[in-house]
Amino acid sequence: DIQMTQSPSSLSASVGDRVTITCRASQSISTYLNWYQQRPGSAPKLLILAASDLKSGVPSRFGGGGSGTEFTLTISSLQPEDSATYYCQQSYSPPYRFGPGTKLQIK
Amino acid sequence: QVQLQESGPGLVKPSETLSLTCNVSGVSMTVHDWAWIRQPPGKGPEWLGHISYVGTKDFNPSLEGRITMAVHVSGNYISLRLMSVTSADTAVYYCATRGYSSPYFDFWGQGSLVTVS
Repeated sequence: DIQMTQSPSSLSASVGDRVTITCRASQSISTYLNWYQQRPGSAPKLLILAASDLKSGVPSRFGGGGSGTEFTLTISSLQPEDSATYYCQQSYSPPYRFGPGTKLQIK
Repeated sequence: QVQLQESGPGLVKPSETLSLTCNVSGVSMTVHDWAWIRQPPGKGPEWLGHISYVGTKDFNPSLEGRITMAVHVSGNYISLRLMSVTSADTAVYYCATRGYSSPYFDFWGQGSLVTVS
C-alpha cells in the first residue's frame, strides 16, 4: 500500500500570506495526486486533480505542483474563507489513500 | 448539477450489517462511476470502493469480504452494505462521483453519520 504524509499538520497564517502545504507519498505516484478542502461540518471539496489541474470554479489563488513522491499545494494570497483542513489523495493504485490532513487557521 | 444524498440508520449494533443508500439527481446513473468514502471522527477520509453502472467494482482490500455495493439505475440510487461491523466502522459515510480519468472524487453528498454501538 502507498502511504501518504502531510506537513505541517497545522498552521496559522494571516490574510494575504502565501501558504504552502506539502504531501509525500511512500513511493512514486507520477502525478496521480489530488487535493481537497474540507470545512467543518461539510464534505471534502475537490480543488486540484492530477497534481496541478485546478478544478473548474476553484479560485486561481490555489495552485498545485510536484511529481513522483513530493507534492505541494500553494495558496498565493490567503483569504478568510480558506480556513479549513486540506487533504491530499493518491489515485495511482488501490487503496486510494488520503493524507492525514493539514489544518489551516487564519490569524 | 449533480446532487447526492445519503440516508440510512444512524445507529448499528456491533456484528450487524450497516446499510446505506445514496439518492442521485441531476445526472444519469450511467454517466459516472460511484464511490463510497468514510471519515472516522477526527480523522482523514478513507476510500471504501467504487462501482460502475455495469457492475465493475474496486474495493479497499481492508474491507474485502465485508463490503458490497450496487447501482440501481432505474431507481437513481446506489447502495452500500458493510457486514459484521465493529466500533472501528463508526464514521461519516459519503457517496461521491469518481473522476473519469482516475480515482479522484469530484461531487460528494453531505454525508451520513453511522455509529456502531
